[in-house]
Amino acid sequence: SQQGEEDPQALSIQEGENATMNCSYKTSINNLQWYRQNSGRGLVHLILIRSNEREKHSGRLRVTLDTSKKSSSLLITASRAADTASYFCATAVTGGGNKLTFGTGTQLKVEL
Amino acid sequence: NAGVTQTPKFRVLKTGQSMTLLCAQDMNHEYMYWYRQDPGMGLRLIHYSVGEGTTAKGEVPDGYNVSRLKKQNFLLGLESAAPSQTSVYFCASSYWQGAYTGELFFGEGSRLTVL
Repeated sequence: SQQGEEDPQALSIQEGENATMNCSYKTSINNLQWYRQNSGRGLVHLILIRSNEREKHSGRLRVTLDTSKKSSSLLITASRAADTASYFCATAVTGGGNKLTFGTGTQLKVEL
Repeated sequence: NAGVTQTPKFRVLKTGQSMTLLCAQDMNHEYMYWYRQDPGMGLRLIHYSVGEGTTAKGEVPDGYNVSRLKKQNFLLGLESAAPSQTSVYFCASSYWQGAYTGELFFGEGSRLTVL
C-alpha cells in the first residue's frame, strides 16, 4: 500500500483561485516533499518540510505539516493556467534509509 | 549542466527480450534511484544506490537488476521482459544531506512497452 495518499485525485479550478491538495501518510517521517509533474515530463521538486516544521512558504506555495495527524497540505495561491500539472507528495520515512516514497498524486487543471 | 539524462527515451520490446536503461548524472550526487510510474499507482521505487558500487532493493525489485560501476551512472536491466513491465521509468539522483533525504532530481523518463 502507498505511504502517501493525496486528496483529491483530481481538481479543476479557474485561474486566479486557490488550489489546495492534501497528503496523508502512515508512518513517522523525517521530512515530506512536494513535487510537480507536467504531462509527459519528469518530476520537479517544489518544497521540502522537515518533521519539526509546521509551515513553509515558497513564492505562491504554502505547505503545512501536522505530524500528529500524519498529514500535509499544499496550497497554491492565485493559480495560473501554467500550474496545470500533477502534484505528488513524497515522504522520507524515519529509519527508512535515503529514499522517498511517493503518493498517487493530484491532477490539477487550471482553466482560463 | 545536463542534470539527469536517461537513454533511451522510448523502447518497444517483445516478451522475453532483454534491455538496459542508462541513467547518467553530472551533479556528482551520491544517491541514485530507479522508479516506475504506472497510472493510478504513483511512483514506486525499484532499486536505488547510496554510492558507487552499492545497490539496494526498493519496493518492486523483482524482474530488474541494477549496477552502479561509476558514480555518475546507474543502469537498470530487464533480463526477460514481461508485459507487466510496461511502464514509464524514471531515474533520479540526490546529494548527501546527512540524516535527511534531500530533494530528488529527475530525468525526463523512459517509456517502455513490452508486447
